[in-house]
Amino acid sequence: GENVEQHPSTLSVQEGDSAVIKCTYSDSASNYFPWYKQELGKRPQLIIDIRSNVGEKKDQRIAVTLNKTAKHFSLHITETQPEDSAVYFCAATPGLSFGAGTTVTVRA
Amino acid sequence: GAGVSQSPSNKVTEKGKDVELRCDPISGHTALYWYRQSLGQGLEFLIYFQGNSAPDKSGLPSDRFSAERTGGSVSTLTIQRTQQEDSAVYLCASSLVADTGELFFGEGSRLTVL
Repeated sequence: GENVEQHPSTLSVQEGDSAVIKCTYSDSASNYFPWYKQELGKRPQLIIDIRSNVGEKKDQRIAVTLNKTAKHFSLHITETQPEDSAVYFCAATPGLSFGAGTTVTVRA
Repeated sequence: GAGVSQSPSNKVTEKGKDVELRCDPISGHTALYWYRQSLGQGLEFLIYFQGNSAPDKSGLPSDRFSAERTGGSVSTLTIQRTQQEDSAVYLCASSLVADTGELFFGEGSRLTVL
């Protein structure tokens, strides 16, 4: 699979603040970049994805940006809420290898 | 089926024994992925199939691990001569076509090697 690096490994934010997670990839042919959320004891679920022909995509409080030149993409969560607390994983094609994950904790 | 089905859900085995883990993907999904997740860790890519072919086997940790998929549907992950470090949750996921859409994950098979 593709080599994907993800930072930070943990992120603690105050409720209402924004959270940003960054990922880098190495294969210039990568063209699909999904983000998954995994709550404790549950299976990962897709929250947003972006394809290489688009630079940014938004879905309510969640947005993803892609910089193909620099080979990195980021997840932005605005107005964080306690239910956003989970582990977030980025991934990239080919083969959909995942980053190491970011544990996000939203403090009330 | 309604979702990705994995069996067994839990498997306890002795070191040195072989185990087989099964994944039944969503009907019509041509792509199937295997991942391994140790407690509190990330999703380690093992292998994926597009149809019955495995374009990328680079994630298999050693030659004790193998996987096959027949009929473009069910896949089996086999671990020979299990070691304690093989203990983890093995997750299977499927998608309509490889590398283009949402992965739907199964509940996983929790393997414990004593």
